[in-house]
Amino acid sequence: DTAVSQTPKYLVTQMGNDKSIKCEQNLGHDTMYWYKQDSKKFLKIMFSYNNKELIINETVPNRFSPKSPDKAHLNLHINSLELGDSAVYFCASSQVRTGRIEAFFGQGTRLTVV
Amino acid sequence: AQSVTQLGSHVSVSEGALVLLRCNYSSSVPPYLFWYVQYPNQGLQLLLKYTSAATLVKGINGFEAEFKKSETSFHLTKPSAHMSDAAEYFCAVSESFGNEKLTFGTGTRLTIIP
Repeated sequence: DTAVSQTPKYLVTQMGNDKSIKCEQNLGHDTMYWYKQDSKKFLKIMFSYNNKELIINETVPNRFSPKSPDKAHLNLHINSLELGDSAVYFCASSQVRTGRIEAFFGQGTRLTVV
Repeated sequence: AQSVTQLGSHVSVSEGALVLLRCNYSSSVPPYLFWYVQYPNQGLQLLLKYTSAATLVKGINGFEAEFKKSETSFHLTKPSAHMSDAAEYFCAVSESFGNEKLTFGTGTRLTIIP
């Protein structure tokens, strides 16, 4: 009964590869997010989607492409992976429409690019 | 633009002592403020939130925080530290309803001394 679930939890891949991270929330929330946590634990938003519509797109390389097939899912596809992409990626969701804006986070996906 | 400053990247307290983690924010509009906790290799868990109601907010695990507009602060406290409180703590700000992006501070690692 996990609220926000991400797969995989760990991902090790070589430079230049393409990889995807999947996220699903069963909270019925209308907004989903991707955050990146770097090696110094700093958290920064990458994208947010509200009912499948892209709302926030921070300064993120075009190699990162989010996709939201429905409001319960938000996937992150990364092309041509670089060493600097190594980080922990967190998916989150919130219910903005009713004002409950606190975000619920998944367990994270630790991406290591070698 | 919104921002958060957490003073002290590392805080150590003895078991049973007062915990005080500092957070100052900057926001051009009335903010929503949050404290999240992150245990090793886990996602972020919401401790408490301020959304313009009572200025003293009580959260889970005995934590509370007080919103002080004049000081632009939202410090986190707990009267008596427990070993299980050892974790990374993040303060975050969202510029009220309609802008759901969370801007995080750099985090404070709390160590509990037996």
